[in-house]
Amino acid sequence: EVQLVESGGGLVQPGGSLRLSCAASGFTLSSYWMSWVRQAPGKGLEWVANIRQDGSEKYYVDSVKGRFTISRDNAKNSLYLQMNSLRAEDTAVYYCARDLPYYDILTGYGRGYGAFDIWGHGTMVTVSS
Amino acid sequence: QSALTQPASVSGSPGQSITISCTGTSSDVGSYNLVSWYQQDPGKAPKLIIYEGSKRPSGVSNRFSASKSGNTASLTISGLQAEDEADYYCCSYADSSTFVFGGGTKLTVL
Repeated sequence: EVQLVESGGGLVQPGGSLRLSCAASGFTLSSYWMSWVRQAPGKGLEWVANIRQDGSEKYYVDSVKGRFTISRDNAKNSLYLQMNSLRAEDTAVYYCARDLPYYDILTGYGRGYGAFDIWGHGTMVTVSS
Repeated sequence: QSALTQPASVSGSPGQSITISCTGTSSDVGSYNLVSWYQQDPGKAPKLIIYEGSKRPSGVSNRFSASKSGNTASLTISGLQAEDEADYYCCSYADSSTFVFGGGTKLTVL
């Protein structure tokens, strides 16, 4: 079964750090761009960051640049989100999501363009004193 | 990186069709045919229902369709069913290799 399982959420004080993990199973993680998407309580979805198959490209929403770092270990079938200098507004459920490849007909390379077809169940991060 | 604009709520009766709009800018929706749509039930993870503008993943009903005109993308659900009641989100690829979601639309089936 194709599955993503997040872990690592919890309660942290403002200014603190957390590292989220996302374990992939049932598919080859190294073939996909991966993203983190969050949802504050009662609010909408917000894309947070993504990472290329080999980790060579990473992109972030402006609000987390310089504070969050996305990474992956394909050998361990795992995706990570290191979150530093946490703020109250970072409180949310954090989902990891697989991005369906959009294949370039010339190069055959599959890039992720936001077709998040597999999602984890999410892990809650609460930033509060 | 401003959120795409969606109506907060829409409603319809069983069997009817409804359309949810998603308005962006020339930096996202207007420049790329890379809008995706998600259905989210309360307390659950989102589910992909449309990608690359108008494609449906395997297993998604053909009652769901989508289109785009200029800076506005639209999701249409035909033959509305009670099970379609959920929150719906659009998402677009944007300049600087980022993504932006809409604020979400709550669909009520009357």
